[in-house]
Amino acid sequence: AQSVSQHNHHVILSEAASLELGCNYSYGGTVNLFWYVQYPGQHLQLLLKYFSGDPLVKGIKGFEAEFIKSKFSFNLRKPSVQWSDTAEYFCAVTSSSNTGKLIFGQGTTLQVKP
Amino acid sequence: DTGVSQNPRHKITKRGQNVTFRCDPISEHNRLYWYRQTLGQGPEFLTYFQNEAQLEKSRLLSDRFSAERPKGSFSTLEIQRTEQGDSAMYLCASSSAGQGHSYEQYFGPGTRLTVT
Repeated sequence: AQSVSQHNHHVILSEAASLELGCNYSYGGTVNLFWYVQYPGQHLQLLLKYFSGDPLVKGIKGFEAEFIKSKFSFNLRKPSVQWSDTAEYFCAVTSSSNTGKLIFGQGTTLQVKP
Repeated sequence: DTGVSQNPRHKITKRGQNVTFRCDPISEHNRLYWYRQTLGQGPEFLTYFQNEAQLEKSRLLSDRFSAERPKGSFSTLEIQRTEQGDSAMYLCASSSAGQGHSYEQYFGPGTRLTVT
């Protein structure tokens, strides 16, 4: 069965620090990969996505992620975090069928100290 | 607001009662998904519809759960004889299949269910 693993459950950073959140998935076929963000009190929002092509994808608010097929990884990065980036981040992958259903990781809570 | 909406936002019920949640997707979206999220976990897939057809159900969805999307627009999720283990956030998402972004799902705010 497909699964997604996020290595860091809780990350605390100071403003201007660099961020990298790990995500690994288990599936041998073609995948679509996503990072969603949930700010406090808000609903899940799409941060960025990878379907095909350039493995380095850029999303909103200065976030980017790199798809490394050989490592089954899709890590999220941001060079300099802001207090407003405090949120919960979820990595997700679509299933092997054409349903489009998302398999999510358990999430990483990011706390940015001002 | 043309996003996904869900009602109610919060529901407190006693064990054994039935509850029903509603989801209104983005109007032009033909796919609708239900997920469940518990504290400290990512959302887990429950079921999905393409138009009015329910095409997949997770093993998480016991016989007490039923979902409908009668006219291919809004959807309802009903839980019969609720149990304390049903307490969770129930999320709805929609997407538009057949276009370049067929797997991009837009989520609603969720319905938080508390079973006492």
